[in-house]
Amino acid sequence: DGGITQSPKYLFRKEGQNVTLSCEQNLNHDAMYWYRQDPGQGLRLIYYSQIVNDFQKGDIAEGYSVSREKKESFPLTVTSAQKNPTAFYLCASSIPGTLNTEAFFGQGTRLTVV
Amino acid sequence: AQTVTQSQPEMSVQEAETVTLSCTYDTSESDYYLFWYKQPPSRQMILVIRQEAYKQQNATENRFSVNFQKAAKSFSLKISDSQLGDAAMYFCAYNPYNTDKLIFGTGTRLQVFP
Repeated sequence: DGGITQSPKYLFRKEGQNVTLSCEQNLNHDAMYWYRQDPGQGLRLIYYSQIVNDFQKGDIAEGYSVSREKKESFPLTVTSAQKNPTAFYLCASSIPGTLNTEAFFGQGTRLTVV
Repeated sequence: AQTVTQSQPEMSVQEAETVTLSCTYDTSESDYYLFWYKQPPSRQMILVIRQEAYKQQNATENRFSVNFQKAAKSFSLKISDSQLGDAAMYFCAYNPYNTDKLIFGTGTRLQVFP
């Protein structure tokens, strides 16, 4: 079945450590996104990529890094520079363009700093 | 800056009744798309309904319909014959034309009582 897979579902990190969240899609979508969700703040865009080997910063990119070496994969690294990393992270993909923009979302990763 | 505002953090409705969730947005663009997404306890984001700004007719999807007032920059969601399964967080989202960005509101938590 086509879809987006995020792993792991729950992730614990010690302070000062980098951690990488996985996002894989088999929908053949060119565009992929990472959002952060905090209570009362909705979803905020961290990074997005419209094509392989290219990505742009979103609204809250500080402390995060991404890569897009394959169309299917868009991993997010939460670095030690991110001051408040505990949050729910959602990955999404879509068909680029204006007439059919509908984002498909993964089931998310809950990151907790311990 | 383009923003989306959901002024109702929480709403409740009796089963089988109708409820309306509010959303306003700020933009200087004339062409764009608007969405309502549902996030149930599983945290999976599900598209509920979509509206193209150039269409005057309000979108409908079964029990879900919108009241799109372009001049007022208002995009409310009406849920008719509410069901227990409608209980979720609902997010309003704005997509500027010719971009792959989705700008989300802060969400409205809907409770459905039997």
